[in-house]
Amino acid sequence: DAMVIQNPRYQVTQFGKPVTLSCSQTLNHNVMYWYQQKSSQAPKLLFHYYDKDFNNEADTPDNFQSRRPNTSFCFLDIRSPGLGDAAMYLCAIGRGTDTQYFGPGTRLTVL
Amino acid sequence: GESVGLHLPTLSVQEGDNSIINCAYSNSASDYFIWYKQESGKGPQFIIDIRSNMDKRQGQRVTVLLNKTVKHLSLQIAATQPGDSAVYFCAENGGTGFQKLVFGTGTRLLVSP
Repeated sequence: DAMVIQNPRYQVTQFGKPVTLSCSQTLNHNVMYWYQQKSSQAPKLLFHYYDKDFNNEADTPDNFQSRRPNTSFCFLDIRSPGLGDAAMYLCAIGRGTDTQYFGPGTRLTVL
Repeated sequence: GESVGLHLPTLSVQEGDNSIINCAYSNSASDYFIWYKQESGKGPQFIIDIRSNMDKRQGQRVTVLLNKTVKHLSLQIAATQPGDSAVYFCAENGGTGFQKLVFGTGTRLLVSP
């Protein structure tokens, strides 16, 4: 059974139209991460939640926001998607410093 | 700054051969390293990890070697199979209290039958 579930798997949005990507987990891990992965590149950490504490990476654009309403769910909000935001968005979970487990990703297309 | 890089972008092998994927890291303070396998259209899948107090760790058909002297990490896959074809990323942990992964650039492994 999947430990990390991401919905939708494919998302198409228009330039400037807000979009929300969803991640849920079945393991109750306290840390949830969001990564951006562009084609043929390594995943790049955007931010993470340690319990309820939000931790933003210094180079993450303000256009990207996140919410974690409870332990199981975490959302990535892109307020005004640009063409450069087209990528695979990966959610991962972890328990403290333990190994991260990744979801299948959501591929975002911006028209 | 921190960086993790790979020597080869693409590795082509024949089915049944042993594969070796290499990775160099620059942060000598890193104490935890992980190898992930990523198939096309999927998220990274954990393969094996190693802590800095070890030189070698073995899993099923995979071995990770860590050479702290030269800051080098390698993944060895025995009897490579077509299903092993994927992009392999090494990553080091740069976080404290949580796992902040710094990924290498990735190596594409192509296995021919």
